[in-house]
Amino acid sequence: GENVEQHPSTLSVQEGDSAVIKCTYSDSASNYFPWYKQELGKRPQLIIDIRSNVGEKKDQRIAVTLNKTAKHFSLHITETQPEDSAVYFCAASIGQAGTALIFGKGTTLSVSS
Amino acid sequence: EAQVTQNPRYLITVTGKKLTVTCSQNMNHEYMSWYRQDPGLGLRQIYYSMNVEVTDKGDVPEGYKVSRKEKRNFPLILESPSPNQTSLYFCASSFWQGNTGELFFGEGSRLTVL
Repeated sequence: GENVEQHPSTLSVQEGDSAVIKCTYSDSASNYFPWYKQELGKRPQLIIDIRSNVGEKKDQRIAVTLNKTAKHFSLHITETQPEDSAVYFCAASIGQAGTALIFGKGTTLSVSS
Repeated sequence: EAQVTQNPRYLITVTGKKLTVTCSQNMNHEYMSWYRQDPGLGLRQIYYSMNVEVTDKGDVPEGYKVSRKEKRNFPLILESPSPNQTSLYFCASSFWQGNTGELFFGEGSRLTVL
């Protein structure tokens, strides 16, 4: 079946550093790629998403890049802060109709001050 | 307030005792879905629904049933729960924009099957 690989599974950075999380997907028909943040004990929440007709998207300190040819996309967080500490999930839509999302296994980001 | 509401939030039950986890959204979303979250495995889709009376299997549908009789409700049914269904369950909903849009998740239901 289709899958999404996410790396690394854990990431520790110092406050102010940048963090990069990478995902690869297998379904060449995937055209929607969201990123969700889940703080400890909370529900996942969308932080940024990108569609296949765009190569990069930014929102303040976070950005996502997409390489459709290589079938990978990445989340970039600059100037990390302790409140960025959370589990981050990437996801990819499945099939042309995109009726389902497949999630990566998550990256636990720890930002120490 | 726009929200997705799941009940119960916590449940401990025994093997074989049928249970239902309810999910309701007040945003008039067409798309609703159930996920389970297990350590190291991320979020895995159980079932989803694109509209009333339209449901389909996700990645891990075995042992679960769903129904979508009304647009706002999407209950998850475990007919005969087993210990391997011990997990954290999330219901989510979104507008259908010709593709899955932003998913709004409920607060989660932690289920333990003894």
